[in-house]
Amino acid sequence: KQEVTQIPAALSVPEGENLVLNCSFTDSAIYNLQWFRQDPGKGLTSLLLIQSSQREQTSGRLNASLDKSSGRSTLYIAASQPGDSATYLCAVASSWGKLQFGAGTQVVVTP
Amino acid sequence: EAGVAQSPRYKIIEKRQSVAFWCNPISGHATLYWYQQILGQGPKLLIQFQNNGVVDDSQLPKDRFSAERLKGVDSTLKIQPAKLEDSAVYLCASSLEAETGGIGELFFGEGSRLTVL
Repeated sequence: KQEVTQIPAALSVPEGENLVLNCSFTDSAIYNLQWFRQDPGKGLTSLLLIQSSQREQTSGRLNASLDKSSGRSTLYIAASQPGDSATYLCAVASSWGKLQFGAGTQVVVTP
Repeated sequence: EAGVAQSPRYKIIEKRQSVAFWCNPISGHATLYWYQQILGQGPKLLIQFQNNGVVDDSQLPKDRFSAERLKGVDSTLKIQPAKLEDSAVYLCASSLEAETGGIGELFFGEGSRLTVL
């Protein structure tokens, strides 16, 4: 059974600092990995999707890397802003269509 | 492009009462998911539909939860009777079917927050 872990559970950084969010998974036989953002009281917004054949994916200030052999993905957010404050979740999709979420990392960016 | 629509946004009921949530996925999305998210946890899949067929309902408490997706578009999730531990946000998501199986990019609705007293 796939287990997805996100450490730390919470993170606070000053504005302008780069954010590094970690996601680890136990079964390397994955189909893809998705990073989501969740604002309080809201649904999840897809940020980046990395296929199993890819090593990284970039969108603006966001960059996500994938290392299947070590069971890790990292989301980098450059030059953080107060608007980046949210909970970030990763979800790992297996080849047979199961999606397993981590519990998320709650990020606070202070002005 | 319209997103995933869910209603109601908030619902408060007494235990043992019933409640129903509605979801309208993005047009053309064959796959529809219902997730339960308890405060401080990641979403947990309750049921996955492919068109109007059930793909996975292994974590759906079938003694009290039911879901249907008529005509392969809208879906309804029902809880009857509700328990205190059902207090959570119920998220609906949809996706295009991935070309080679697996799961494509998921798009979520705003969620329906249920409080059971």
